[in-house]
Amino acid sequence: AQRVTQPEKLLSVFKGAPVELKCNYSYSGSPELFWYVQYSRQRLQLLLRHISRESIKGFTADLNKGETSFHLKKPFAQEEDSAMYYCALLSNYQLIWGAGTKLIIKP
Amino acid sequence: GAGVSQTPSNKVTEKGKYVELRCDPISGHTALYWYRQSLGQGPEFLIYFQGTGAADDSGLPNDRFFAVRPEGSVSTLKIQRTERGDSAVYLCASSMTLNTEAFFGQGTRLTVV
Repeated sequence: AQRVTQPEKLLSVFKGAPVELKCNYSYSGSPELFWYVQYSRQRLQLLLRHISRESIKGFTADLNKGETSFHLKKPFAQEEDSAMYYCALLSNYQLIWGAGTKLIIKP
Repeated sequence: GAGVSQTPSNKVTEKGKYVELRCDPISGHTALYWYRQSLGQGPEFLIYFQGTGAADDSGLPNDRFFAVRPEGSVSTLKIQRTERGDSAVYLCASSMTLNTEAFFGQGTRLTVV
C-alpha cells in the first residue's frame, strides 16, 4: 500500500540549531515526493519537490530509495521556520500525505 | 489576488442537512483537486477534475458526497445528509495541468453539530 509516514508530531529546536524533519514512504515504483509547509493562519504551499533538487529557504531534501526516506533538512533554523510541515507522495495524480510535523523554533 | 478561493471559510450545519462548498481555481488552471483534512491528520484525497470531467473520484467516502465542475472552472463539493464525522477542513487546489505544482485555497472548515 502507498503510505507516507512522518514519525514526529512535534519537533522543537533552538534558533541556529540544525533541523531534520523525517519522512518515510511506501510506494512500488519510482516515487515523486514533495514537502509542503503551512505557516500560522496561511494556506498550504509547496516548499520542495524532489525532482527539482532546489534549495528553498535554506531547506533541502534528498530522496533515499534504499531507506525509502525523504527527510527535510536545514543547517541553521530560524524563528520564521516555525510551521506545520507535510511530506506528500504523488500517485495517480493525487497526493498521499503524511500526518505532518509541527516545527517550533525556540529563540 | 489570483489565488485559489474557497467559500465559505467556515460553515456550521446541523446533522442531516445539505451543504455546498465552493472553489474558485486560479484562472487557466485545468486541473482541480479536493482534499479533506481532519484534525491532527494530513489531507486525504477526495476527487480531481481535468477540465469539466471528474477524472478520479475514488476518494469520495460514500454516495453522500458529490462534486461538479460544469464549465471547467469553479467547482462545488456537495454533501448530503451531513454527519458529525464529516466535520473537517475541506481543501481545494488547482494546477496548470496534471503533475504541475498545485496551489491550495485556504480551506472551508465544516462543522456538523
